[in-house]
Amino acid sequence: EAQVTQNPRYLITVTGKKLTVTCSQNMNHEYMSWYRQDPGLGLRQIYYSMNVEVTDKGDVPEGYKVSRKEKRNFPLILESPSPNQTSLYFCASSTRQGADGYTFGSGTRLTVV
Amino acid sequence: AQRVTQPEKLLSVFKGAPVELKCNYSYSGSPELFWYVQYSRQRLQLLLRHISRESIKGFTADLNKGETSFHLKKPFAQEEDSAMYYCALSGAGANNLFFGTGTRLTVIP
Repeated sequence: EAQVTQNPRYLITVTGKKLTVTCSQNMNHEYMSWYRQDPGLGLRQIYYSMNVEVTDKGDVPEGYKVSRKEKRNFPLILESPSPNQTSLYFCASSTRQGADGYTFGSGTRLTVV
Repeated sequence: AQRVTQPEKLLSVFKGAPVELKCNYSYSGSPELFWYVQYSRQRLQLLLRHISRESIKGFTADLNKGETSFHLKKPFAQEEDSAMYYCALSGAGANNLFFGTGTRLTVIP
């Protein structure tokens, strides 16, 4: 089944403790992206990647890092999480720059206390 | 710069009534417009894209370049249509899919 898989689904952590949210897709998509979803703000892009070893900042990259060492994986790294990063995170992938529509993961609900 | 505006955060309609979710955009080139839907506790799913000009689950959306709008319409709302709806824009050659802030549709039985 074609899908985007995120892990974990839920995560509670403490301020400053490094964490990684994994994202993997099995559709051979070149394009991958991370969004955060907050009430009243919709989805805002954090980082995106056009292909292996090619990443770039989205609208809200501060406090996040990403890597794209393999085509299928696009992990999101929070080196020192803070409470304002409490949010619902979505990974997405596409064959092109969104023109064919994105396939989204199930989301990761992160709480930083 | 691109911008997607969904003026209604909440919209309630009765079952069987027509529904229209508004979306306006700002983009200097030729945009590609989409509607995504998020049912309760589920992932976002692509509902419609303007280039395919299709009807999905009874929903249609027409790109009006003169009014820079891409409103989502359905003639008879069903309870299962209750969800969060996001309008999104991708510019040709751009590296991003921009989302509006979303409209939560509630269909009242």
